[in-house]
Amino acid sequence: AQTVTQSQPEMSVQEAETVTLSCTYDTSESDYYLFWYKQPPSRQMILVIRQEAYKQQNATENRFSVNFQKAAKSFSLKISDSQLGDAAMYFCAYRSGQGGSEKLVFGKGTKLTVNP
Amino acid sequence: AAGVIQSPRHLIKEKRETATLKCYPIPRHDTVYWYQQGPGQDPQFLISFYEKMQSDKGSIPDRFSAQQFSDYHSELNMSSLELGDSALYFCASSSRLPGNTIYFGEGSWLTVV
Repeated sequence: AQTVTQSQPEMSVQEAETVTLSCTYDTSESDYYLFWYKQPPSRQMILVIRQEAYKQQNATENRFSVNFQKAAKSFSLKISDSQLGDAAMYFCAYRSGQGGSEKLVFGKGTKLTVNP
Repeated sequence: AAGVIQSPRHLIKEKRETATLKCYPIPRHDTVYWYQQGPGQDPQFLISFYEKMQSDKGSIPDRFSAQQFSDYHSELNMSSLELGDSALYFCASSSRLPGNTIYFGEGSWLTVV
């Protein structure tokens, strides 16, 4: 079974600074997808960014980018120019590319605090 | 754009009662997922449906059941409720194509007293 590990239960960053959240995963599959979801205090699950394992290029969405290291099974999230609204719980998630096992497997999450 | 709709958003039940949560997926999404998120925890997968058939099953208690109807909406039925069932229940949907993003509803808060 696939597992996702987020080794940083909590992180903090100053407003306008850059922060990197770590995520590692374990899988024997070659076809899979990785996601970062944000969960603010409202508890809504919001997609931040996604990465296809077959793509070598790291995904980028505005201030959010990932560092995908497939051989190391690492998928970190970099938030640039941090804003107060970025404060949330961030979950790294894995999704198999094989049919029949398409659920998301989540890590335990990293709580990000943004200091003004 | 239309999102995943869940109802009710909040409900309070007593122990041993029954609760039913409803989920309306994004139009043209054929797969529905149910997740349970306890306080301070990550979402735990319960069950999923594709084209009205159960496609995967996770840590769903035997007291819980779910189904997907012909209009693709889904219902999660929870019976003999226990205090530990108090949680945020997410429904999510996607289309079947591999790797398609799974979109979440805003969740249903269940409190068992």
